Amino acid sequence: KNEVEQSPQNLTAQEGEFITINCSYSVGISALHWLQQHPGGGIVSLFMLSSGKKKHGRLIATINIQEKHSSLHITASHPRDSAVYICATTGNQFYFGTGTSLTVIP
Amino acid sequence: EAQVTQNPRYLITVTGKKLTVTCSQNMNHEYMSWYRQDPGLGLRQIYYSMNVEVTDKGDVPEGYKVSRKEKRNFPLILESPSPNQTSLYFCATRSWTGDEKLFFGSGTQLSVL
Repeated sequence: KNEVEQSPQNLTAQEGEFITINCSYSVGISALHWLQQHPGGGIVSLFMLSSGKKKHGRLIATINIQEKHSSLHITASHPRDSAVYICATTGNQFYFGTGTSLTVIP
Repeated sequence: EAQVTQNPRYLITVTGKKLTVTCSQNMNHEYMSWYRQDPGLGLRQIYYSMNVEVTDKGDVPEGYKVSRKEKRNFPLILESPSPNQTSLYFCATRSWTGDEKLFFGSGTQLSVL
């Protein structure tokens, strides 16, 4: 049983499109992480958020703790955004979504 | 430069032959953890450590051991590897200062034949 669900599993977009990835979780948490995994396998941390919204460049993440839902948005998508995006609940023990594989076509 | 260093990057072994995957960090983080990543299942936590000599089981600890004798190192030990432990393994640390952030090692692709 996965505590964290992501959608969609796969996403193909044209360069410049606005992209949304969704994450829902069943455990009670105080915050959530968004991670990016490039084709080479390396994982980097994008955001940790506990409320409201955060923005880094073209990436925007929102969270609603009461509804147990978070979204990651990418504005003006670019081929270099092609990666797997993973959400994860925080705490002593982490639970991860299975990831959304994004491909941005030039 | 902040780093989590995992070794080896690739490892092929046979069933039953004990192995250790090393993980070290240079950021003085108290929290370290191990994960395995499998297609369709995503990342799952194996063990974590809140500090030296403090370790705890994650979601999938069976068949694995860890130790945390010093802050910078957190090795993952497979005493008797089996083919179902073939996976991509990641070590990670967590910073608490300001915004919490995760730092991952580059991964170890393990194949158990």
